[in-house]
Amino acid sequence: GAGVSQSPSNKVTEKGKDVELRCDPISGHTALYWYRQSLGQGLEFLIYFQGNSAPDKSGLPSDRFSAERTGGSVSTLTIQRTQQEDSAVYLCASSLVSTVRDEQFFGPGTRLTVL
Amino acid sequence: QKEVEQDPGPLSVPEGAIVSLNCTYSNSAFQYFMWYRQYSRKGPELLMYTYSSGNKEDGRFTAQVDKSSKYISLFIRDSQPSDSATYLCATSNRDDKIIFGKGTRLHILP
Repeated sequence: GAGVSQSPSNKVTEKGKDVELRCDPISGHTALYWYRQSLGQGLEFLIYFQGNSAPDKSGLPSDRFSAERTGGSVSTLTIQRTQQEDSAVYLCASSLVSTVRDEQFFGPGTRLTVL
Repeated sequence: QKEVEQDPGPLSVPEGAIVSLNCTYSNSAFQYFMWYRQYSRKGPELLMYTYSSGNKEDGRFTAQVDKSSKYISLFIRDSQPSDSATYLCATSNRDDKIIFGKGTRLHILP
């Protein structure tokens, strides 16, 4: 079956522009996570959604970052007024439910470059 | 102090050697321990999962947790070139949020 997909795979933008990154989780997975992976850094948690509950936004680095999940499926991560330090790989993961006992399945990521 | 510390490498070993990858963590409340493998330009994939202390074996891979020293290890026996990847340790003390190490880049030399 289809895994987690993300688009675009690569995005180059100019400083100050807004970008939208998309994640299509595995069908039926109720939990969805966004992470950021910078060069030489581990996965940095950004936000997670569980069903219809309010999302856990505790990892978002600034108010320029926001995310939504429509209909409990597709999610969009938006970065406003991008800065060069936003350059990273943005990874999305989904799991059946949001417990660590359920494997998180990762997408291939979106590589964002801010010039 | 970072919650999870991991040497980024790179670590280069000859094919067939035993590989030892390690992490330390700071929070004694962590109960869940994982190893993820990430190939270049791909997302991480779960390799091993253990709960609390002890060993877990899966084929050529053995995960070991020593809670007394807050030390996590992954051993790879009979290493293969296809094992070349970045290995991330991860841990959690809750049911939802996982904390990852920075990852160790491993190269298996044919």
